[in-house]
Amino acid sequence: EDKVVQSPLSLVVHEGDTVTLNCSYEVTNFRSLLWYKQEKKAPTFLFMLTSSGIEKKSGRLSSILDKKELFSILNITATQTGDSAIYLCAGLYGGSQGNLIFGKGTKLSVKP
Amino acid sequence: NAGVTQTPKFQVLKTGQSMTLQCAQDMNHNSMYWYRQDPGMGLRLIYYSASEGTTDKGEVPNGYNVSRLNKREFSLRLESAAPSQTSVYFCASSEGASTLYEQYFGPGTRLTVT
Repeated sequence: EDKVVQSPLSLVVHEGDTVTLNCSYEVTNFRSLLWYKQEKKAPTFLFMLTSSGIEKKSGRLSSILDKKELFSILNITATQTGDSAIYLCAGLYGGSQGNLIFGKGTKLSVKP
Repeated sequence: NAGVTQTPKFQVLKTGQSMTLQCAQDMNHNSMYWYRQDPGMGLRLIYYSASEGTTDKGEVPNGYNVSRLNKREFSLRLESAAPSQTSVYFCASSEGASTLYEQYFGPGTRLTVT
């Protein structure tokens, strides 16, 4: 059965801390690994990772994929209270269309 | 651009009632999706429409039907609601295949079935 497992499920840190969120996957016909940030409502796209070992960066966020060990990490440096959210990891699988299988998410709380 | 819009925002149904959740996007996207999100379960794909005129089942299609009315609109119908369908429903769209294009999500519909 295909699955995406995120850890930890929740995390509380203080502003300025660096955090690492983990995502492991077992997905048939795996194509890519995606990260989303979900604040109060809709998930918003962060990264799509298709190649192993190539880091993607956006400001204080970065992510990397290891296709041999079947995992990805999302790093957030110098955390701010605005980083508080649920971070979702999803495996993209299938043929030309591709569909997503999501993990349960990591709830990050950043305290002032 | 409004992006992806969903109506209603909230709905309470009694068991056995039917309703349709509406979704529209103004980004001229080809592909549209319906997900449900339950506590501790993450997002799960119900149905998707790769392009106008086509629909396909996702991971959890039982109890639902969909209609891709035109390129802009993709509706989700519950014919006979059950308490197990209490969830937050998200519609999403993408320019094309998810292998190439990111999905944009609507604000969600919170449905409670009593």
